[in-house]
Amino acid sequence: QSVLTQPPSASGTPGQRVTISCSGSASNIGTNYIYWYQQLPGTAPKLLIYRNNERPSGVPDRFSGSKSGTSASLAISGLRSEDEADYYCAAWDDGLSPVVFGGGTKLTVL
Amino acid sequence: QVQLLQSGAEVKKPGASVKVSCKASGYSFTTYYMHWVRQAPGQGLEWMGIINPGGGTTSYAQKFQGRVTMTRDTSTSTLYMELSSLRSEDTAVYYCAKGNMDVWGQGTTVTVPS
Repeated sequence: QSVLTQPPSASGTPGQRVTISCSGSASNIGTNYIYWYQQLPGTAPKLLIYRNNERPSGVPDRFSGSKSGTSASLAISGLRSEDEADYYCAAWDDGLSPVVFGGGTKLTVL
Repeated sequence: QVQLLQSGAEVKKPGASVKVSCKASGYSFTTYYMHWVRQAPGQGLEWMGIINPGGGTTSYAQKFQGRVTMTRDTSTSTLYMELSSLRSEDTAVYYCAKGNMDVWGQGTTVTVPS
C-alpha cells in the first residue's frame, strides 16, 4: 500500500491529452515538492518533473505538472506512442519515511 | 557527463547479506545526497533510504531499519548499500539515484531464491 495514491492505469490515443493524478496528505504533497518519473519497460526511471512543475532540460514541454493542496497531477499533451510507460509520483514526507512514492500508473497509448 | 555505475547482478541465499555499489562520476560527489530505491519484479518503486556523501549521515525507511546500511567512500566516489537477513521478498532491482533522483544508476538485480 503506497503512501501516495495513483490510478493503476490510464490510456489515450495519439494526439490526446491525458492526466495522471497523485493524492497524498499534509505531511507530503501538502507541504513538500512533488516529483514525477517516467519508466520505460526494462529501463531505470527518468526524472520528468521536479519541484511540482519544473522540467529538466531535454524533457519536452508536452509534459507538465501541477499541485493543489494535497494532490498533484501530471499532464501529457499531444500523446505519442513513445509515451507508453509507467509513471510514478514522489514527494518528501515529514512522517516516518522521508521519501514516499506513488504506486505507479501504467499509461497505454491506444 | 554525470554517471552512476552500479555493480553486477547477485544471487544470494536466504539469510545472507548483499552489498551493492554505485560509483559516481562527472560531478562533485559530496554535494548531492544519494537515494537507494528498489523495484520487485512487476512492482512499483520502493524508497529504501538516503545518504549524505559529505558527512555520511543516513536516513532509512522504517521498513528497512535494522537491516540496511548505507555507506560511502569519498576517495573513490562510491556509495554502498548493504542489506542483511535476505529473504525471497528482497528479490528486486536495486537503484541508486542522485539528488532529486535526477540521475539513476542502471540497476543491480539481486535474486534470493526461496
